[in-house]
Amino acid sequence: GAGVSQSPRYKVAKRGQDVALRCDPISGHVSLFWYQQALGQGPEFLTYFQNEAQLDKSGLPSDRFFAERPEGSVSTLKIQRTQQEDSAVYLCASSLVRGGGQPQHFGDGTRLSIL
Amino acid sequence: AQSVTQPDIHITVSEGASLELRCNYSYGATPYLFWYVQSPGQGLQLLLKYFSGDTLVQGIKGFEAEFKRSQSSFNLRKPSVHWSDAAEYFCAVGAPAGQNFVFGPGTRLSVLP
Repeated sequence: GAGVSQSPRYKVAKRGQDVALRCDPISGHVSLFWYQQALGQGPEFLTYFQNEAQLDKSGLPSDRFFAERPEGSVSTLKIQRTQQEDSAVYLCASSLVRGGGQPQHFGDGTRLSIL
Repeated sequence: AQSVTQPDIHITVSEGASLELRCNYSYGATPYLFWYVQSPGQGLQLLLKYFSGDTLVQGIKGFEAEFKRSQSSFNLRKPSVHWSDAAEYFCAVGAPAGQNFVFGPGTRLSVLP
């Protein structure tokens, strides 16, 4: 597609449920990032993939958070046993190649609300 | 580790007035610097970026930013603001050897008619 696509746009879940958020990056982009954006805050890094390899997961807040990109394209961020503090917008970004200087292209995000 | 501060949480300007949004960063060397804009319910759109060379960079929508090494700043400017510029603006730092960006907390811009 023309841009980064995320689904669903909105997700409401009860505390304790598991959720899965999908990201479809720009075709051919090697690098894929997940960020968490709390209300009124800037995005905070969660994890980074280069192709199918997860090279950095230092930003994942707990072992309830898990991300994968098995074929080096679509990625899924899974949150197990959700808690209210997980409520945020989850942004996915991709870039053509690796390297801190490459502009990242963002999707519109998934707004997750935990009741 | 790099960090970014945006001292102004919220700025209000009149349409047609000039704009400057402040960004200060902390990093041991010259970082890669970016400005993104986010409209409500949308993702982040890249306005401009600085890697090296000319310290005044031009971006989309009439925005420009100036890198000042001595002040560790990368302020965003626009000579004449339009009502459609109302949004949240984020400054971001990327380390040359790293991958992820570090974002500032954002500045919300309101535009008065």
